[in-house]
Amino acid sequence: DAGITQSPRHKVTETGTPVTLRCHQTENHRYMYWYRQDPGHGLRLIHYSYGVKDTDKGEVSDGYSVSRSKTEDFLLTLESATSSQTSVYFCAIRTGTGDSEQYFGPGTRLTVT
Amino acid sequence: AQTVTQSQPEMSVQEAETVTLSCTYDTSESDYYLFWYKQPPSRQMILVIRQEAYKQQNATENRFSVNFQKAAKSFSLKISDSQLGDAAMYFCAYRSDGGGTSYGKLTFGQGTILTVHP
Repeated sequence: DAGITQSPRHKVTETGTPVTLRCHQTENHRYMYWYRQDPGHGLRLIHYSYGVKDTDKGEVSDGYSVSRSKTEDFLLTLESATSSQTSVYFCAIRTGTGDSEQYFGPGTRLTVT
Repeated sequence: AQTVTQSQPEMSVQEAETVTLSCTYDTSESDYYLFWYKQPPSRQMILVIRQEAYKQQNATENRFSVNFQKAAKSFSLKISDSQLGDAAMYFCAYRSDGGGTSYGKLTFGQGTILTVHP
């Protein structure tokens, strides 16, 4: 499982509240990613990081921000949660460059009511 | 931007039979990677097989093999001798081989739910 954990694993929150999801890795990989999974859309990239304090937007970044203050943690924040952000969120790491693989965490199911 | 399309929302197969899942993609790049991921009910994403675009030989991993047609931009997954444990959602994914500028981002298809009947 490449030492990836996500917390919380499940969360229910109300519209308008801030939410932070945490991804933690134990192997000091440089690249980390946040995806969301929705029916009919597969997984879509929200944000990614290529080093401490180095982040960039993916294809569905509106309403989300990220931070990476240390190698092992990549945080995803919903500043003001909306019902459209109800989804399953996956963190992933890449083990290197070139042809290295990408491995996924167990996912977080977020429900915004 | 690259796109990945899986046109089969659902497929079914009898145990021990063979099934093929389809995937097409659109890209203007010549160097890239293609992947098939399996997502069982546990929700864990599991890498099944990968193909480098520069390789003409189709990748195989035990009962899983691909049919990679670069000119047609087609990348299908064949599962032989299907087992009950193969039941899952399968995702096709694309990754650019753009070196330092691509950052290894994956573009996924919509997924195909595979049911295996005993």
